[in-house]
Amino acid sequence: GDSVTQMEGPVTLSEEAFLTINCTYTATGYPSLFWYVQYPGEGLQLLLKATKADDKGSNKGFEATYRKETTSFHLEKGSVQVSDSAVYFCALRSAGNKLTFGGGTRVLVKP
Amino acid sequence: NAGVTQTPKFQVLKTGQSMTLQCAQDMNHEYMSWYRQDPGMGLRLIHYSVGAGITDQGEVPNGYNVSRSTTEDFPLRLLSAAPSQTSVYFCASSLRPTASYEQYFGPGTRLTVT
Repeated sequence: GDSVTQMEGPVTLSEEAFLTINCTYTATGYPSLFWYVQYPGEGLQLLLKATKADDKGSNKGFEATYRKETTSFHLEKGSVQVSDSAVYFCALRSAGNKLTFGGGTRVLVKP
Repeated sequence: NAGVTQTPKFQVLKTGQSMTLQCAQDMNHEYMSWYRQDPGMGLRLIHYSVGAGITDQGEVPNGYNVSRSTTEDFPLRLLSAAPSQTSVYFCASSLRPTASYEQYFGPGTRLTVT
C-alpha cells in the first residue's frame, strides 16, 4: 500500500537558518503530494502541493519539488522565523481522495 | 462561513462509555472524512463519505461508526470506548472526492479514555 516516510524530529533551529525536512514515498500510479502544517492547538493547514513530476509547490517561503525518480518531496525554507515553529506533515493522495500521511516532524525555531 | 467545525474540543470517557464526536461544514462539500492522530504515526483515516447517504471504511475503522444523513454533518460514534481510542480526532472535508481538491481540516477533538 501507499506509505510516506519523513524525518523524525524534533528539529531545532535558530532564526534565519535554512530548513530542510526530508520526505520519501511509496505509491502506485502517480500520486499528488502535499505538505501540511499544524500550529500548536490547531488543525492541519495545507502548506503547498504538487500534482505531477517536476512540479514545484511553494507558499510562505517554503518550497518542495516533486521528484519521481527519487520518490521524494523534500520541504525547504531559506530563512526560518520563530512563527514557523510547528509540526509539518508530508502526505500523498493516490486513488480517490484518501490522504496517506507521514509521521510528522516537529520544528522549533529559537530567536 | 465557519469552515469545518468540531465539537467538543476535549472529552474524557471511561472504558465502555459511548459518545458521538460532531463534525459540520458549511461549504457544501461532497467529501468528508475522519482521521485520528497519534504520536509518530501521522494521521490515519477512520471513515469517509463521498456524499449524503454514502460512507466507507478507511485504514482504522474498528470501534467507530459513521453516518451521513445530510451534506453538512458527519458524526463519528464510539459505541464502547477503549483506552486504545485515546487520540486526537480530526474531521476534514473537500468540495469533490478527487485528488485536485484541497481538504480542509477542523480544529480537532482531544479524547482521553480511562
